[in-house]
Amino acid sequence: DAGVTQSPTHLIKTRGQQVTLRCSPISGHKSVSWYQQVLGQGPQFIFQYYEKEERGRGNFPDRFSARQFPNYSSELNVNALLLGDSALYLCASSSRTGPHFQETQYFGPGTRLLVL
Amino acid sequence: AQKVTQAQTEISVVEKEDVTLDCVYETRDTTYYLFWYKQPPSGELVFLIRRNSFDEQNEISGRYSWNFQKSTSSFNFTITASQVVDSAVYFCALSVHNKTMDSSYKLIFGSGTRLLVRP
Repeated sequence: DAGVTQSPTHLIKTRGQQVTLRCSPISGHKSVSWYQQVLGQGPQFIFQYYEKEERGRGNFPDRFSARQFPNYSSELNVNALLLGDSALYLCASSSRTGPHFQETQYFGPGTRLLVL
Repeated sequence: AQKVTQAQTEISVVEKEDVTLDCVYETRDTTYYLFWYKQPPSGELVFLIRRNSFDEQNEISGRYSWNFQKSTSSFNFTITASQVVDSAVYFCALSVHNKTMDSSYKLIFGSGTRLLVRP
């Protein structure tokens, strides 16, 4: 089975621009979570989606938004980019039957965003 | 508050040495799950193990072993006879139920330990 895929792999933007990152979960998985990983730190939770509904949100400003499509793929949008948004954005999938905190999340390779 | 602490920022060993990566967690929940992930330079987080709070049995998988002790809130990871391919950043993570939103949870990660295995 194919793993979690993300696109693009790398992205360079300037301050104030908007960016859209994409994620396709493992086949059969219905939940997608997004994490931000700043250089030298552990990943920080941004969003969790299950069956196209937002199920959890981390401590991120409203400039961050996401959505999940009927095929369970997901997009993360970030508006009005700041230098501090430069990071590795990771997508994780889980849940064939419903999000449960005992489930293992499987991560994609990430999108490296650089804001200049 | 829920928190994961990995006090070792970086560890350097010579190939074939044993190495232990420490993880200390904080949570008031009685039911929780602990994870270890490996992050090679490519960036992808690779799942290694999951352990629930009711199972304190140590686990061994090949050269990897994990020691879970609730009394000290620790979930340490040992690599026996390390190899160069083990070089990566290792993350310990805690999963708890988000009680403010049904069916929601998140992984809380430590800051990671960078392991360098030299030939």
